[in-house]
This record gives sequence, C-alpha cells and structure tokens, in this order.
Amino acid sequence: DGGITQSPKYLFRKEGQNVTLSCEQNLNHDAMYWYRQDPGQGLRLIYYSQIVNDFQKGDIAEGYSVSREKKESFPLTVTSAQKNPTAFYLCASSPSDSLSYEQYFGPGTRLTVT
Amino acid sequence: AQSVTQLGSHVSVSEGALVLLRCNYSSSVPPYLFWYVQYPNQGLQLLLKYTTGATLVKGINGFEAEFKKSETSFHLTKPSAHMSDAAEYFCAVSDYGGSQGNLIFGKGTKLSVKP
Repeated sequence: DGGITQSPKYLFRKEGQNVTLSCEQNLNHDAMYWYRQDPGQGLRLIYYSQIVNDFQKGDIAEGYSVSREKKESFPLTVTSAQKNPTAFYLCASSPSDSLSYEQYFGPGTRLTVT
Repeated sequence: AQSVTQLGSHVSVSEGALVLLRCNYSSSVPPYLFWYVQYPNQGLQLLLKYTTGATLVKGINGFEAEFKKSETSFHLTKPSAHMSDAAEYFCAVSDYGGSQGNLIFGKGTKLSVKP
C-alpha cells in the first residue's frame, strides 16, 4: 500500500532536548511538507522541499530544521530553540509542484514537551 | 496574497439535516480550491478539489462544493448528515504567492452531529 508514514504517533520529551520526527513516503512524490497544527489555528507550514537536497522555510521555521537526503524521507528536527514545541505535527507530500495537485497527509505525530 | 476564511469554528447539526460549511477565499488569480477532513488524532484526507471546469464538484462520502467566482466562495454541503461526518473540515487554496504546490489552509470548522 502506498502512503505516508510518520513515527512515532506520540512523542514525549523534556524541555531543552532536540527531537526528530520521522516522515517516509512510498508514493514517489517529489514535494514534501511539514505542518504544525494547534487547536483553532489551522495548519501552519514549517518547511517544504520540492526536490532532494533542497528545502525552503515556511511561515514558522524558527526552531526547526529539516533534511532531504532521499526522495522518500523528510525528517523534521524540533530543536531546543523552539519556544513552544508541544503540538500535532503533520507531514504531507504531493506528486509535483503543480498547483493543481492535492497534498497527501500522514497520520501525524503528537509531540509533548514538558 | 491568497487567504482562506472559514466562517464558524464550530457547526452543529442533527443527524439527517443539511450540512453547510462555509469557505471564502481571496485570490488575485483563478484559484485551485480544496476541502479536507480530519478525524481526531489523524491526518487530513482530501474530500474534493476544484481546479478548472465544472463549478459543482462532487467528493467522497456524499459531499459536494460549488465554486462561485462572483462570491469568492467554495462552500461544502451534504444533504443529510450522518454521525460519522463528525470531524474537523479544512478549506484550502493553492498559494500562488509562495512556491507552487503549497496550500494555504483555513482555521478549520469542527462539525458535530447530534443524534
């Protein structure tokens, strides 16, 4: 089955620790995205990548970092510089950077930092 | 710049009643529009999309939406609500200002269905 996997589903960390969220897709999509979701805020774009070894900041990139070494993988690191990291994180992909293509979403990772 | 406004953060309907979730967009060029559904603690699933052509778009689970350029609207409807429709719904528009392929999402509307 083709799709996007995110692991783990729930993640708990202590304040001050970096944490990496996994995102893998086997849809052969070129573009991948990371969103943060907070109640009542909708989805906010953190980073996106349209091609391997290239990525761009989204609207709320501060305190986050990404890499795109393989087409199928786009891990997100939440660093200790992110002031309020507790949130639901969603990874998505799309077949190209065409405007008419919808994005396909993974199941999400809920990160809790205490 | 593109933007999306979803009117009503919470909508409650009775089972069997009409579902109407409102979405207005702002775009300087012909938009591509999407509706997604999210069940608790899950990712988003595409319900339907409008790109070009017919302005009435049919999606999954009996939902449909009509693109009205004059009203800059893309409201989502379903004739008869089912308990399983209870979820959060997001309207989105393609982001012409940013990189192609990016979507701008509304803040979402949570739909409750009363028995």
